[in-house]
Amino acid sequence: DAGVIQSPRHEVTEMGQEVTLRCKPISGHNSLFWYRQTMMRGLELLIYFNNNVPIDDSGMPEDRFSAKMPNASFSTLKIQPSEPRDSAVYFCASRMTSLNQETQYFGPGTRLLVL
Amino acid sequence: RKEVEQDPGPFNVPEGATVAFNCTYSNSASQSFFWYRQDCRKEPKLLMSVYSSGNEDGRFTAQLNRASQYISLLIRDSKLSDSATYLCVVNRDDKIIFGKGTRLHILP
Repeated sequence: DAGVIQSPRHEVTEMGQEVTLRCKPISGHNSLFWYRQTMMRGLELLIYFNNNVPIDDSGMPEDRFSAKMPNASFSTLKIQPSEPRDSAVYFCASRMTSLNQETQYFGPGTRLLVL
Repeated sequence: RKEVEQDPGPFNVPEGATVAFNCTYSNSASQSFFWYRQDCRKEPKLLMSVYSSGNEDGRFTAQLNRASQYISLLIRDSKLSDSATYLCVVNRDDKIIFGKGTRLHILP
């Protein structure tokens, strides 16, 4: 299994530009999570989906952030317009939600730098 | 008060020593608990789940104390490869909260 795939691995952009991060979860997993990690705030859950439906988006910072999961094998996190304070590592994770299965598998992350 | 708190460290420990660190959680309704490990510039990976009865996996032992609301991780006979950040994770009603992690440096 290829694991959780994220693209791009690195992104450098200028303030005001739109940024789209992509995630392919592990095949067969029915939950998908987007996290943001910074030195100051640690790992923060932004949003998670269950069976492609957003369940909890209370961690999404503001309207500039949006996430979609059009099908079971693809999700995007979009920032529009981007700001320097959005610079962080963004992780996607997936999980098979069933009895006794709570392990999340993380992708390698996207390192975003907004100048 | 943060919902999940960890000592950020770093813990600098000589190779072969035993090291332990705790994680406290504030919500007594928390249901499940985990330790994840994160290497520098890598993604977090599950180290072990934490059960009420405590559990052991080789040199690693995890324990849960519901009365005092903390979980612990003990590493025996530490190896250089154990150097990493250890993240405490608490799950409550499918809300997953990560601690900010404890950095561990194993010294040769």
